Amino acid sequence: QKEVEQNSGPLSVPEGAIASLNCTYSDRGSQSFFWYRQYSGKSPELIMSIYSNGDKEDGRFTAQLNKASQYVSLLIRDSQPSDSATYLCAAGRDNYGQNFVFGPGTRLSVLP
Amino acid sequence: ETGVTQSPTHLIKTRGQQVTLRCSSQSGHNTVSWYQQALGQGPQFIFQYYREEENGRGNFPPRFSGLQFPNYSSELNVNALELDDSALYLCASSRQNEQFFGPGTRLTVL
Repeated sequence: QKEVEQNSGPLSVPEGAIASLNCTYSDRGSQSFFWYRQYSGKSPELIMSIYSNGDKEDGRFTAQLNKASQYVSLLIRDSQPSDSATYLCAAGRDNYGQNFVFGPGTRLSVLP
Repeated sequence: ETGVTQSPTHLIKTRGQQVTLRCSSQSGHNTVSWYQQALGQGPQFIFQYYREEENGRGNFPPRFSGLQFPNYSSELNVNALELDDSALYLCASSRQNEQFFGPGTRLTVL
């Protein structure tokens, strides 16, 4: 059974702080990894994708991947109240988006 | 906005009925995936269609079926609805690896 695990939270951080979200996956064959943001009552929105070990930065977001440890993380710098949402981690085995496995999500609350 | 649209937005059905949900993919995307998201959980993969053929299926029973049309739009059909089918149904279109979700259809089974 392929699984993606996340701490359900809520994770609370003060405005302006760094939020650190973590994810582990069980399928060593996973090749592609994604972070989605989901506001309450809305559909998931793609934030970052990462395919290689190391860091990938996009604005205030940095995704980190360590395939040996089967670990993916997302750092949000200068957190804003508008970042308050559930963050979903997903892992895919192939290059065609087939059979993505999503984690349960971590709820982030950024306090003004 | 991802350019992926779904209809209807909300739907209420009773146990045993059948339902059809629709999705229009983003322009240029030839792959459509369907997910079920129960409250408080991550999306669960139902199946994927690529060029009108089923291209992978998750752990869902055969009463969940689908279609993809030549314009890459898609339908999800669920027969013999059960109470546990109540969820948000998400369609995602993709070109290669990145998937972009539509707004979803909220299905309530009474």
